[in-house]
Amino acid sequence: ELKVEQNPLFLSMQEGKNYTIYCNYSTTSDRLYWYRQDPGKSLESLFVLLSNGAVKQEGRLMASLDTKARLSTLHITAAVHDLSATYFCAVDASNNSGGSNYKLTFGKGTLLTVNP
Amino acid sequence: DADVTQTPRNRITKTGKRIMLECSQTKGHDRMYWYRQDPGLGLRLIYYSFDVKDINKGEISDGYSVSRQAQAKFSLSLESAIPNQTALYFCATGSWQGEGDTQYFGPGTRLTVL
Repeated sequence: ELKVEQNPLFLSMQEGKNYTIYCNYSTTSDRLYWYRQDPGKSLESLFVLLSNGAVKQEGRLMASLDTKARLSTLHITAAVHDLSATYFCAVDASNNSGGSNYKLTFGKGTLLTVNP
Repeated sequence: DADVTQTPRNRITKTGKRIMLECSQTKGHDRMYWYRQDPGLGLRLIYYSFDVKDINKGEISDGYSVSRQAQAKFSLSLESAIPNQTALYFCATGSWQGEGDTQYFGPGTRLTVL
Protein backbone atom coordinates (compact mmCIF):
# COMPACT_ATOMS: atom_id res chain seq x y z
CA GLU A 1 0.00 0.00 0.00
CA LEU A 2 1.37 3.37 -1.01
CA LYS A 3 1.88 5.80 1.85
CA VAL A 4 2.51 9.50 1.33
CA GLU A 5 3.74 11.53 4.26
CA GLN A 6 4.04 15.28 4.37
CA ASN A 7 5.76 17.33 6.98
CA PRO A 8 5.21 19.56 8.61
CA LEU A 9 1.43 19.38 8.73
CA PHE A 10 1.20 22.90 10.11
CA LEU A 11 3.57 25.72 9.24
CA SER A 12 3.39 29.27 10.48
CA MET A 13 5.84 31.59 8.78
CA GLN A 14 6.71 35.24 8.82
CA GLU A 15 6.60 37.17 5.61
CA GLY A 16 9.97 37.27 3.92
CA LYS A 17 11.21 34.00 5.34
CA ASN A 18 12.11 30.79 3.51
CA TYR A 19 10.92 27.31 4.30
CA THR A 20 10.57 23.83 2.83
CA ILE A 21 7.71 21.32 2.88
CA TYR A 22 8.69 17.69 2.54
CA CYS A 23 6.80 14.85 0.89
CA ASN A 24 8.00 11.27 1.36
CA TYR A 25 6.40 8.29 -0.32
CA SER A 26 6.77 4.57 0.15
CA THR A 27 6.85 2.96 -3.30
CA THR A 28 8.35 3.36 -6.73
CA SER A 29 7.10 6.36 -8.63
CA ASP A 30 8.42 9.08 -10.88
CA ARG A 31 5.15 11.00 -11.08
CA LEU A 32 4.44 13.46 -8.30
CA TYR A 33 2.01 16.35 -8.18
CA TRP A 34 1.63 19.37 -5.93
CA TYR A 35 -1.74 21.02 -5.37
CA ARG A 36 -2.88 24.10 -3.51
CA GLN A 37 -6.19 24.49 -1.68
CA ASP A 38 -7.46 27.80 -0.37
CA PRO A 39 -9.89 27.68 2.58
CA GLY A 40 -13.31 26.50 1.46
CA LYS A 41 -12.12 26.08 -2.11
CA SER A 42 -11.19 23.31 -4.48
CA LEU A 43 -7.73 22.02 -5.35
CA GLU A 44 -5.59 23.76 -7.93
CA SER A 45 -2.68 22.07 -9.68
CA LEU A 46 0.68 23.71 -8.97
CA PHE A 47 3.41 21.42 -10.25
CA VAL A 48 3.84 18.18 -12.12
CA LEU A 49 7.15 16.35 -11.57
CA LEU A 50 7.76 13.44 -13.90
CA SER A 51 11.35 12.32 -13.52
CA ASN A 52 14.21 12.03 -11.09
CA GLY A 53 15.81 15.39 -10.60
CA ALA A 54 12.84 17.32 -11.99
CA VAL A 55 12.61 20.88 -10.76
CA LYS A 56 9.78 23.29 -11.42
CA GLN A 57 9.44 26.91 -10.28
CA GLU A 58 6.55 29.31 -10.25
CA GLY A 59 7.02 32.62 -8.53
CA ARG A 60 8.12 32.07 -4.93
CA LEU A 61 7.50 28.31 -5.06
CA MET A 62 9.94 25.69 -6.30
CA ALA A 63 9.28 21.94 -6.33
CA SER A 64 11.77 19.14 -6.84
CA LEU A 65 11.71 15.36 -7.05
CA ASP A 66 14.29 12.78 -5.97
CA THR A 67 12.85 9.40 -7.00
CA LYS A 68 15.73 7.45 -5.49
CA ALA A 69 15.07 8.95 -2.07
CA ARG A 70 11.32 8.90 -2.73
CA LEU A 71 11.21 12.52 -1.69
CA SER A 72 9.78 15.71 -3.09
CA THR A 73 10.24 19.17 -1.65
CA LEU A 74 8.25 22.36 -2.04
CA HIS A 75 10.46 25.33 -1.23
CA ILE A 76 8.99 28.71 -0.38
CA THR A 77 11.17 31.75 -0.91
CA ALA A 78 10.46 35.08 0.77
CA ALA A 79 6.95 34.12 1.79
CA VAL A 80 4.06 36.52 1.31
CA HIS A 81 0.58 36.41 2.83
CA ASP A 82 -0.99 35.34 -0.46
CA LEU A 83 0.78 31.99 -0.16
CA SER A 84 -1.32 31.07 2.88
CA ALA A 85 -3.16 27.87 1.91
CA THR A 86 -3.04 24.10 2.32
CA TYR A 87 -0.52 22.36 0.09
CA PHE A 88 -0.90 18.72 -0.90
CA CYS A 89 1.51 16.39 -2.60
CA ALA A 90 0.07 13.42 -4.49
CA VAL A 91 1.83 10.39 -5.91
CA ASP A 92 0.90 8.21 -8.86
CA ALA A 93 2.49 4.86 -8.07
CA SER A 94 4.08 2.95 -10.93
CA ASN A 95 2.38 -0.18 -12.21
CA ASN A 96 4.25 -3.43 -12.91
CA SER A 97 5.40 -2.10 -16.25
CA GLY A 98 6.66 1.13 -14.75
CA GLY A 99 3.81 3.11 -16.21
CA SER A 100 1.08 5.14 -14.59
CA ASN A 101 -1.79 3.74 -12.54
CA TYR A 102 -3.70 6.95 -13.19
CA LYS A 103 -4.58 7.08 -9.51
CA LEU A 104 -3.29 9.57 -6.99
CA THR A 105 -2.55 8.98 -3.33
CA PHE A 106 -2.52 12.23 -1.41
CA GLY A 107 -0.59 13.31 1.62
CA LYS A 108 -2.52 14.82 4.50
CA GLY A 109 -1.62 18.34 3.48
CA THR A 110 0.44 21.15 4.98
CA LEU A 111 -1.51 24.13 6.28
CA LEU A 112 0.69 27.15 5.64
CA THR A 113 -0.02 30.43 7.37
CA VAL A 114 2.11 33.44 6.45
CA ASN A 115 1.99 36.20 9.04
CA PRO A 116 2.90 39.86 8.50
CA ASP B 1 -18.67 28.18 -17.11
CA ALA B 2 -16.67 25.85 -14.89
CA ASP B 3 -15.15 22.78 -16.54
CA VAL B 4 -16.07 20.43 -13.68
CA THR B 5 -19.34 21.06 -11.87
CA GLN B 6 -20.86 19.36 -8.86
CA THR B 7 -24.42 19.40 -7.56
CA PRO B 8 -25.53 20.05 -4.94
CA ARG B 9 -22.85 22.23 -3.39
CA ASN B 10 -24.20 21.73 0.10
CA ARG B 11 -26.51 19.08 1.47
CA ILE B 12 -27.81 18.25 4.92
CA THR B 13 -29.54 14.93 5.32
CA LYS B 14 -30.55 12.43 7.96
CA THR B 15 -29.17 9.04 8.82
CA GLY B 16 -30.58 6.32 6.59
CA LYS B 17 -31.48 8.55 3.66
CA ARG B 18 -30.32 7.85 0.12
CA ILE B 19 -28.21 10.65 -1.35
CA MET B 20 -26.84 11.21 -4.84
CA LEU B 21 -24.06 13.62 -5.66
CA GLU B 22 -23.62 14.52 -9.29
CA CYS B 23 -20.60 15.53 -11.31
CA SER B 24 -20.48 16.84 -14.86
CA GLN B 25 -17.49 17.88 -16.96
CA THR B 26 -16.98 19.70 -20.21
CA LYS B 27 -13.26 18.95 -20.48
CA GLY B 28 -13.75 15.85 -22.62
CA HIS B 29 -11.65 13.73 -20.26
CA ASP B 30 -12.14 9.98 -20.07
CA ARG B 31 -11.06 9.53 -16.47
CA MET B 32 -13.24 10.63 -13.59
CA TYR B 33 -12.79 10.28 -9.84
CA TRP B 34 -14.64 10.73 -6.56
CA TYR B 35 -12.73 11.69 -3.40
CA ARG B 36 -13.72 12.62 0.10
CA GLN B 37 -11.82 15.09 2.24
CA ASP B 38 -11.86 14.98 6.01
CA PRO B 39 -9.97 17.42 8.22
CA GLY B 40 -6.45 16.19 8.82
CA LEU B 41 -6.78 13.20 6.49
CA GLY B 42 -6.18 14.68 3.07
CA LEU B 43 -8.13 13.32 0.13
CA ARG B 44 -9.07 9.66 -0.13
CA LEU B 45 -10.21 7.97 -3.30
CA ILE B 46 -13.71 6.46 -3.24
CA TYR B 47 -14.27 5.31 -6.85
CA TYR B 48 -12.73 5.98 -10.21
CA SER B 49 -13.70 5.39 -13.81
CA PHE B 50 -11.44 5.25 -16.87
CA ASP B 51 -14.37 5.19 -19.28
CA VAL B 52 -18.09 4.53 -19.25
CA LYS B 53 -17.64 0.77 -18.95
CA ASP B 54 -14.68 0.77 -16.59
CA ILE B 55 -15.46 1.55 -12.94
CA ASN B 56 -13.20 0.68 -10.06
CA LYS B 57 -13.25 0.83 -6.29
CA GLY B 58 -10.85 3.11 -4.50
CA GLU B 59 -9.49 2.78 -1.00
CA ILE B 60 -12.73 3.66 0.82
CA SER B 61 -15.63 2.44 -1.34
CA ASP B 62 -17.70 0.75 1.40
CA GLY B 63 -21.08 2.46 1.77
CA TYR B 64 -20.83 4.16 -1.63
CA SER B 65 -21.79 3.31 -5.19
CA VAL B 66 -21.28 5.11 -8.48
CA SER B 67 -22.77 5.40 -11.93
CA ARG B 68 -21.05 6.63 -15.08
CA GLN B 69 -24.00 7.68 -17.18
CA ALA B 70 -21.91 9.18 -19.97
CA GLN B 71 -18.37 10.29 -20.59
CA ALA B 72 -19.26 13.62 -19.05
CA LYS B 73 -21.26 12.45 -16.01
CA PHE B 74 -20.22 10.50 -12.92
CA SER B 75 -22.55 10.22 -9.94
CA LEU B 76 -21.83 9.10 -6.39
CA SER B 77 -24.56 7.55 -4.25
CA LEU B 78 -24.82 6.92 -0.55
CA GLU B 79 -27.48 4.23 -0.28
CA SER B 80 -28.08 4.73 3.43
CA ALA B 81 -26.20 7.71 4.76
CA ILE B 82 -24.50 7.55 8.15
CA PRO B 83 -22.97 10.38 10.22
CA ASN B 84 -19.35 9.36 9.55
CA GLN B 85 -19.97 10.05 5.86
CA THR B 86 -20.13 13.73 6.74
CA ALA B 87 -17.32 15.19 4.65
CA LEU B 88 -16.37 17.36 1.70
CA TYR B 89 -16.69 15.40 -1.55
CA PHE B 90 -14.73 16.24 -4.68
CA CYS B 91 -15.15 15.03 -8.21
CA ALA B 92 -12.12 15.20 -10.49
CA THR B 93 -11.30 14.47 -14.11
CA GLY B 94 -7.98 13.30 -15.49
CA SER B 95 -6.20 13.43 -18.77
CA TRP B 96 -2.64 13.07 -19.96
CA GLN B 97 -1.54 16.55 -20.91
CA GLY B 98 1.98 15.85 -22.09
CA GLU B 99 3.11 17.16 -18.75
CA GLY B 100 1.63 14.40 -16.67
CA ASP B 101 -1.77 13.06 -15.81
CA THR B 102 -3.04 16.13 -14.01
CA GLN B 103 -6.38 15.85 -12.27
CA TYR B 104 -8.83 18.75 -12.34
CA PHE B 105 -11.14 19.15 -9.39
CA GLY B 106 -14.72 20.33 -9.11
CA PRO B 107 -15.78 22.87 -6.48
CA GLY B 108 -16.81 20.22 -3.96
CA THR B 109 -20.02 19.17 -2.21
CA ARG B 110 -20.24 19.63 1.53
CA LEU B 111 -22.38 16.81 2.92
CA THR B 112 -23.65 16.68 6.48
CA VAL B 113 -25.39 13.57 7.77
CA LEU B 114 -27.31 14.10 11.00
